[in-house]
Amino acid sequence: DARVTQTPRHKVTEMGQEVTMRCQPILGHNTVFWYRQTMMQGLELLAYFRNRAPLDDSGMPKDRFSAEMPDATLATLKIQPSEPRDSAVYFCASGAAQTGNQPQHFGDGTRLSIL
Amino acid sequence: AQSVTQLGSHVSVSEGALVLLRCNYSSSVPPYLFWYVQYPNQGLQLLLKYTTGATLVKGINGFEAEFKKSETSFHLTKPSAHMSDAAEYFCAVKKNRDDKIIFGKGTRLHILP
Repeated sequence: DARVTQTPRHKVTEMGQEVTMRCQPILGHNTVFWYRQTMMQGLELLAYFRNRAPLDDSGMPKDRFSAEMPDATLATLKIQPSEPRDSAVYFCASGAAQTGNQPQHFGDGTRLSIL
Repeated sequence: AQSVTQLGSHVSVSEGALVLLRCNYSSSVPPYLFWYVQYPNQGLQLLLKYTTGATLVKGINGFEAEFKKSETSFHLTKPSAHMSDAAEYFCAVKKNRDDKIIFGKGTRLHILP
């Protein structure tokens, strides 16, 4: 089965450090989503791309977060500088936008701990 | 605007008992509806989806859900709970031509031995 691949699976770093999370969407999918999951806030949409173009990043703190898609096989989410409140699980999901009824497919997430 | 309400952030059922997880949605147009399951330390996995046609939808692991337009509901059921069903379940809604899916806050299912 095709899968969304996220790296790293776990990241522990100190406050102030740059964090880069990577996502390889399912081949042929043209939408990519970044979510953050915490106990308090649940699942939050941070940003999403269609055909590599950013369409909505309103859920993302723009002063420290950035999301890009250098090519169709790679999406990145960066945090610089990181803060303890950024500790969460970050999920990437991809989908095929050509047909409106298609679900999103999720990766297994990056568990981020900022000390 | 679309929204999803899942009744009960935690539900406990005995092994072998009926599982019923409730989901109500609001949408200005006929929606696409989904149930996802999340096991510990994993991403969300699609259980089932409703798009058009038959309102009773069967999914993986013995789960099914029924789309009831008059009640704006899409409740998830399973006749007999198994210990392996313990997980968090998310109901979600999507409009045609919208890329984004709106997720509910999730219901954590506990299975009692």
